[in-house]
Amino acid sequence: AQRVTQPEKLLSVFKGAPVELKCNYSYSGSPELFWYVQYSRQRLQLLLRHISRESIKGFTADLNKGETSFHLKKPFAQEEDSAMYYCALSHDRDDKIIFGKGTRLHILP
Amino acid sequence: NAGVTQTPKFQVLKTGQSMTLQCAQDMNHNSMYWYRQDPGMGLRLIYYSASEGTTDKGEVPNGYNVSRLNKREFSLRLESAAPSQTSVYFCASMSTRGANVLTFGAGSRLTVL
Repeated sequence: AQRVTQPEKLLSVFKGAPVELKCNYSYSGSPELFWYVQYSRQRLQLLLRHISRESIKGFTADLNKGETSFHLKKPFAQEEDSAMYYCALSHDRDDKIIFGKGTRLHILP
Repeated sequence: NAGVTQTPKFQVLKTGQSMTLQCAQDMNHNSMYWYRQDPGMGLRLIYYSASEGTTDKGEVPNGYNVSRLNKREFSLRLESAAPSQTSVYFCASMSTRGANVLTFGAGSRLTVL
C-alpha cells in the first residue's frame, strides 16, 4: 500500500542549529515527492519538489530511492521556519496525491 | 487572483444533518481534491477528480460524496453528518500540464455535535 511516513510529530530546534525533518515513503512505482508547509494563519503551500532540485528558503531535500526517503534539511534554523511541514507523494499512474501526518517544527530562540 | 475558494469557512452541524462544502478554482486546473486535516492524522485524501466528469475515492471516502459539477467546481457532501467528521476540510486543485503542484483553499472548519 502507498504510504508516507513522518516519524516526528514535533521537532524543537534552537535557532541557528541544523534541521532535519524525516520522510519515508512506500510506493511501487516512480513517485514524485514534495514538501508542503503551513505557516500560522496561512494556506498550505508548496515548499519544494524533488524533481526541481532547488533550495527554497535554505531548505533542500534529496530523494533517496534506495532508502525510500525524502528528508528535508536546513543547515541553520531561523525563527520564521516554525510551521507545520507535510511530506507528500504523487502517483505516477494517476493524479492521486497523499500526505504524511506532518511534523510541527518549533524553532527555539 | 482568487485561486481556490471554499465556502463556508465555518459550519456547525448536528449529528444526522446534511451539508455541502463548495469549492471553486479559477486557474483552469484539471484536477481537484478534497482533504481533511485532523490533529495527529495529517492530511487525508477523501476524494479527487482528475478531470471534469470523473471522480475517484481517496484514503477516507466513507460518509462523503462528491460532484465535479464542471471544470471549476468540486463539491463535497456529507449526507448524514457524524461527530467523527468534525475536521478542517481543504480543497485543492492542480494543473496536470507541467508542475504537479497543489494550490490549496483556505479551509472549512466543520463541527458536528
